Amino acid sequence: VLTQTPLSLSATPGQPASISCQSNQSLLHSDGETYLYWYLQKPGQSPQLLIYEVSKRFSGVPDRFSGSGSRTDFTLKISRVEAEDVGVYFCMESVQFPPITFGQGTRLDIK
Amino acid sequence: QVQLVESGGAVVQPGRSLRLSCAASGFTFSTYVMHWVRQAPGKGLEWVAVISHDGNQKYYADSVKGRFTISRDNFKGTVYLQMSSLRTDDRAIYYCARGAYYLDYWGQGTLVTVSS
Repeated sequence: VLTQTPLSLSATPGQPASISCQSNQSLLHSDGETYLYWYLQKPGQSPQLLIYEVSKRFSGVPDRFSGSGSRTDFTLKISRVEAEDVGVYFCMESVQFPPITFGQGTRLDIK
Repeated sequence: QVQLVESGGAVVQPGRSLRLSCAASGFTFSTYVMHWVRQAPGKGLEWVAVISHDGNQKYYADSVKGRFTISRDNFKGTVYLQMSSLRTDDRAIYYCARGAYYLDYWGQGTLVTVSS
């Protein structure tokens, strides 16, 4: 089970924002990788991958997005929020794939 | 570029069947694991099923096991989701997505509504 906090977030443009994702089990696989990912679902769109394996930015993702954490506690940080960052952020884990599990989502809007 | 285009969504009655398709392009389809993920209106994401690159391994969420079947045609570059015994709680946007341990590209989704 992945638990995200907060469930909603109102951010000021240019200011930082962060979202937490907590797992009830370690996401560190025996192969040494940690199977935790972050997605953003912009309004009316399908989810898009932001971060894979905790902290690696996917192709084309702005460097204002960063991921951190280990084992059971993870954080997505946006260094300077922009208007285009609005949407719902999901964490996802696949340490015992299959199945794949998603957090319940955090809705970010702009003040 | 990678493209995934779902189709087949419709309004169906409870207990009926429906087949969804996802046409892939822009990458070597036969080398990738493919998934179906769904999202009930206004809700979160639920993983549904996965199929190995060669179609020999398939896994399902408990909520659909025994009712849904995932398959693929590597010659056509298409992955399918055959859904039977549909229930009202199967109502959702169904996305196909590429990847193994993580899903790097998603389609735009197709809406399935189950209603009498």
